[in-house]
Amino acid sequence: AQSVTQPDIHITVSEGASLELRCNYSYGATPYLFWYVQSPGQGLQLLLKYFSGDTLVQGIKGFEAEFKRSQSSFNLRKPSVHWSDAAEYFCAAMPFRSNFGNEKLTFGTGTRLTIIP
Amino acid sequence: EPEVTQTPSHQVTQMGQEVILRCVPISNHLYFYWYRQILGQKVEFLVSFYNNEISEKSEIFDDQFSVERPDGSNFTLKIRSTKLEDSAMYFCASRGTGLLFFGPGTRLTVL
Repeated sequence: AQSVTQPDIHITVSEGASLELRCNYSYGATPYLFWYVQSPGQGLQLLLKYFSGDTLVQGIKGFEAEFKRSQSSFNLRKPSVHWSDAAEYFCAAMPFRSNFGNEKLTFGTGTRLTIIP
Repeated sequence: EPEVTQTPSHQVTQMGQEVILRCVPISNHLYFYWYRQILGQKVEFLVSFYNNEISEKSEIFDDQFSVERPDGSNFTLKIRSTKLEDSAMYFCASRGTGLLFFGPGTRLTVL
């Protein structure tokens, strides 16, 4: 079955420290991959996406993610976190089809990021 | 920039009542979705809709749920007889040929 796994339920980092949030996927073929961020009580904001090509993708707010086919991973990173980065982060995947077709997005369970001063 | 809109932002209802959640997708999009997020939990797929019919639905989307695109612009989710466990944030999304664009969500509270 297709699935997205985020092994870390909750991560706490100090402001200014680096961050890595893990995401693994299980699909028959490499899916399209996404990271979303959700602040409390808010909607889902797309941080970045991977469709193909360069395995290191840049997103908004200084985030980047690296796709590693050998590890079926798409980890999110930020070199230096800010207090405003505190939020819930969701990794998501959609099966690959050349024209996207009628595919759905499957989310991981999320990682809650807490920033300490 | 085009966006998906949802109304209302917050709906409170009594158990057993019917609710209709409304969404206006981006105008040239062809694929429409509803997702649900129970407080503190993951975002779960409910249903996808294309060419005026349901394409796929999850186990959550039982006979109490229905979707409709009544007028070519709105996309609605109806819950016929709400249960306490239907309390959640409901997100609408639409897609053209690429990304899903999510609406801001409707928070449904069932008392």
